[in-house]
Amino acid sequence: GQSLEQPSEVTAVEGAIVQINCTYQTSGFYGLSWYQQHDGGAPTFLSYNALDGLEETGRFSSFLSRSDSYGYLLLQELQMKDSASYFCAVLPYGGATNKLIFGTGTLLAVQP
Amino acid sequence: GAVVSQHPSRVICKSGTSVKIECRSLDFQATTMFWYRQFPKQSLMLMATSNEGSKATYEQGVEKDKFLINHASLTLSTLTVTSAHPEDSSFYICSARDHRGGGNYGYTFGSGTRLTVV
Repeated sequence: GQSLEQPSEVTAVEGAIVQINCTYQTSGFYGLSWYQQHDGGAPTFLSYNALDGLEETGRFSSFLSRSDSYGYLLLQELQMKDSASYFCAVLPYGGATNKLIFGTGTLLAVQP
Repeated sequence: GAVVSQHPSRVICKSGTSVKIECRSLDFQATTMFWYRQFPKQSLMLMATSNEGSKATYEQGVEKDKFLINHASLTLSTLTVTSAHPEDSSFYICSARDHRGGGNYGYTFGSGTRLTVV
C-alpha cells in the first residue's frame, strides 16, 4: 500500500518562507504532486516532480528525493492568500486505473 | 485547460433519502473518473474509480450498494448516495484524467459537493 505523511499544521508570517514536508512509504510511483485546497474548494495543482531534484514554479518550489522517500513544498514570500491546506500526492505504479493517492495534508496558517 | 464540472455544489437532504451528484468533463473525454470523500480537516480519501461502460471499482471499506456509481458516457459520471444518514455528511469531490497530459498527468478536480444529511 501507500502512505504519505505530512505535518498536520504549520504557521508562518507574511513574507516568510515555509517548507512543508512529505515522507512516504510506497512501492513505487511515477511522480510526486502538490495540491493546494482552500476551505470548501477543489484541490488545485501546484507542482510536480517526476525526477529527483528541485522544480521551481514562481513562488512555489517542490523537491523530491526517492532515495530518502521524502519530498517537500517550499513557499516563498508568503501571502495571506496562501493560507490553505496543502497535500502531496502520488500516482502509484501498477493497476489499470492510475488512481491518485493523497497525503495526510498540512494546514498552513499565514499570519500578518 | 481541462475542466471538470461537478453539480450540485451543496445539498441538504433528509435521512433515508438518496442524493445524486454529477461530474462532467467539459472539454475532454474521460474513460475513468475518480470519486473522493473528504471529512473536515482530513485528507481526500479515494472511494471508487468510475469506468465508462463497466462497473466501478470500489476501495476497501466502501459500500458499493450505498454509493452507486454510473459512468454511462465518456463525459459523465454520477455518484448516488442511497439511504443517506448523517454520518454520510461530507465533502465529495470527483476527478478526471485528461489523457492529453499536462505536468500532473492531466488530473483535474471538480469543485466538490457539500452533502449535509439531517
